[in-house]
Amino acid sequence: EAGVTQFPSHSVIEKGQTVTLRCDPISGHDNLYWYRRVMGKEIKFLLHFVKESKQDESGMPNNRFLAERTGGTYSTLKVQPAELEDSGVYFCASSSGLSLFSGANVLTFGAGSRLTVL
Amino acid sequence: EDQVTQSPEALRLQEGESSSLNCSYTVSGLRGLFWYRQDPGKGPEFLFTLYSAGEEKEKERLKATLTKKESFLHITAPKPEDSATYLCASPSGAGNKLTFGGGTRVLVKP
Repeated sequence: EAGVTQFPSHSVIEKGQTVTLRCDPISGHDNLYWYRRVMGKEIKFLLHFVKESKQDESGMPNNRFLAERTGGTYSTLKVQPAELEDSGVYFCASSSGLSLFSGANVLTFGAGSRLTVL
Repeated sequence: EDQVTQSPEALRLQEGESSSLNCSYTVSGLRGLFWYRQDPGKGPEFLFTLYSAGEEKEKERLKATLTKKESFLHITAPKPEDSATYLCASPSGAGNKLTFGGGTRVLVKP
C-alpha cells in the first residue's frame, strides 16, 4: 500500500510570496492531518480533516494559512503571504479511524515538506 | 495545557551499550502514549502505542513501558541502525490530535 505522499519535498521562497503544499493520504483514509515543526520546537498540530470537512483547525497559526481538501482526497496547505517564521517542516498524516484514544488508530506520516522563507 | 517532555535531548551510545529514553507527560486523563521513530529527511514512523500503566511492548531491540507519570523506551544492545530521533506523543483534545515531545536524538557508534 502506498504511504502518505507530500509535495514538494523542499520549497525556498521569498518573504511575501505564496507557497502551496500538497498531501496525498493513504487511499481510503478519511482522516487527514497537518502538523508543523519549526526550528528547535516540537512537532505541533495544525488541523484535522474528516473527509472534506475541517474537524479541528485550532492549531492554525493565523489567517495566512489556508487548508483545503476538496473531494475528500488530497489536501493542500497554502501560505499567503509567507513570513520568515513560517519556515519549518510541514508534515501530513492520515488515519482510517477518528479517535487516537482507540488502539486501532495510528497516524501514518508523510516525509514532510520543508519550507524555507528568505 | 497538555505537555510532553522528553529527556535526554541527545544520546550517544556505543554499539551494544543499552540505555533508556524518558518521556514524561502532564495530560489530564491520559488515554494513550505513542512512540515514533524519525530518520533524517523522513516523517515519524510509528513504533508503539501504550494505553495503561504497567503496559509493555517490544519490537526487536526496543521495549516501551508506561507508568502513570512517564514512559520509557529501552534500547537493548543497540546497533548503528538504531540511530534516529525517537518521539513520544500523547493524544489530546477530543482524541483527534497528538501532542509531541521534543524528541531524543540517538546516535549509536560502531
